[in-house]
Amino acid sequence: DIQMAQSPSSLSASVGDRVTITCRASETIADFLNWYHQKPGKAPKLLIYAASNLQDGVPSRFSGSGSGTDFTLTISSLQPEDFGVYYCQHSFTPPPAFGPGTKVEIK
Amino acid sequence: EVQLVESGGGLVKPGGSLRLSCTASGFPFDTYSVNWVRQAPGKGLEWVASISRDSTYTYYADSLKGRFTISRDNTNAALFLQMKSLRADDTAIYYCARTRFGHLSTFLFDSWGQGVLVTVSS
Repeated sequence: DIQMAQSPSSLSASVGDRVTITCRASETIADFLNWYHQKPGKAPKLLIYAASNLQDGVPSRFSGSGSGTDFTLTISSLQPEDFGVYYCQHSFTPPPAFGPGTKVEIK
Repeated sequence: EVQLVESGGGLVKPGGSLRLSCTASGFPFDTYSVNWVRQAPGKGLEWVASISRDSTYTYYADSLKGRFTISRDNTNAALFLQMKSLRADDTAIYYCARTRFGHLSTFLFDSWGQGVLVTVSS
């Protein structure tokens, strides 16, 4: 099974900062990589699919890049509502797997 | 508006069974694959099972095979998860999630329900 790793596990940043989260797959997954955002007590929300495609309604400050095994989620200018946990997930082949998450805190 | 509403959760004893339901609205249910994803308290997300739009294909997490069964009723726009031989480590919020239409992979989840809590404890 393909395993997913994320770094950092947590970060604290100020409003307006540029934030980068990385995700690594244990095997190549082409561009079958998705990003979700989850706020406390809420369901996850799809942000980016197929590595770099913005889901409908997601602000353009979010972007994704990468292919193969290494991927990045970037928030160009962190906003107060961006706190929570960010998960990467591969959808290459069953079983799909999520990364352990990156907790983002607003300073 | 796409809506997925889970129900059927609750407290169950170890070894017991439970059937979760997810009622869908706001989209043509029978043209989408649907899925269950769970989250243990304070932990990350874990994919549980997926079912294709006409139930031809089902997929399960290896650790759950034989204990959990996913099914659907397209007439009533409903998804189910039958769980048996429940264990303490099955305690989690169970989310119903829709597969994004038109994507190559079944395992891309574009809409989620609010989740239902299952607690396995004596």
